[in-house]
Amino acid sequence: DAKTTQPPSMDCAEGRAANLPCNHSTISGNEYVYWYRQIHSQGPQYIIHGLKNNETNEMASLIITEDRKSSTLILPHATLRDTAVYYCIASARTGTASKLTFGTGTRLQVTL
Amino acid sequence: NAGVMQNPRHLVRRRGQEARLRCSPMKGHSHVYWYRQLPEEGLKFMVYLQKENIIDESGMPKERFSAEFPKEGPSILRIQQVVRGDSAAYFCASSPPGTSGSLDEQFFGPGTRLTVL
Repeated sequence: DAKTTQPPSMDCAEGRAANLPCNHSTISGNEYVYWYRQIHSQGPQYIIHGLKNNETNEMASLIITEDRKSSTLILPHATLRDTAVYYCIASARTGTASKLTFGTGTRLQVTL
Repeated sequence: NAGVMQNPRHLVRRRGQEARLRCSPMKGHSHVYWYRQLPEEGLKFMVYLQKENIIDESGMPKERFSAEFPKEGPSILRIQQVVRGDSAAYFCASSPPGTSGSLDEQFFGPGTRLTVL
């Protein structure tokens, strides 16, 4: 799996958009970009994933650059409950379990 | 529909004792994955099991660690002769039959926090 690089921490004011960047310059053509978050040491929670097109769901939007070397997770209206560690993972969709390492992620602090 | 269950949620063992961690997958799920998260680190894959079979154990330490997923009952992660370095959070995930082990198909449990004194 491709290595990903994320800033260790970010702050965001409640109600504003949180934009979390991720670099994955060595990503392979068959590898998806996944985003998970972990709130206060609970189990990881799936957020979104994509291959090359931008994706949106009820939780977030995922913007992937055209060269696929980086992506941004957007939480459009951050709330205090979005305070968590966010993990960006690049991984193929098949036979992947043995390669998964979440890295240290970005610790997002949402403030009043 | 209950999610992935893990018990105990917290486990304290003294060095040299055995630790048994249990994972009950979501109803209808037949694939189980175990991950370990050391303090201040991300999750790392340990082992992938289907009913009565170990599919991939490439992330398991070579000694003292074993895992099983019997035909009946929960999956068990067993750590023999625990050492302080085994202190970590251990997460289990499950996925339905027919899945290939991809990340988006896995549903995670709340974890077991093991502390070795």
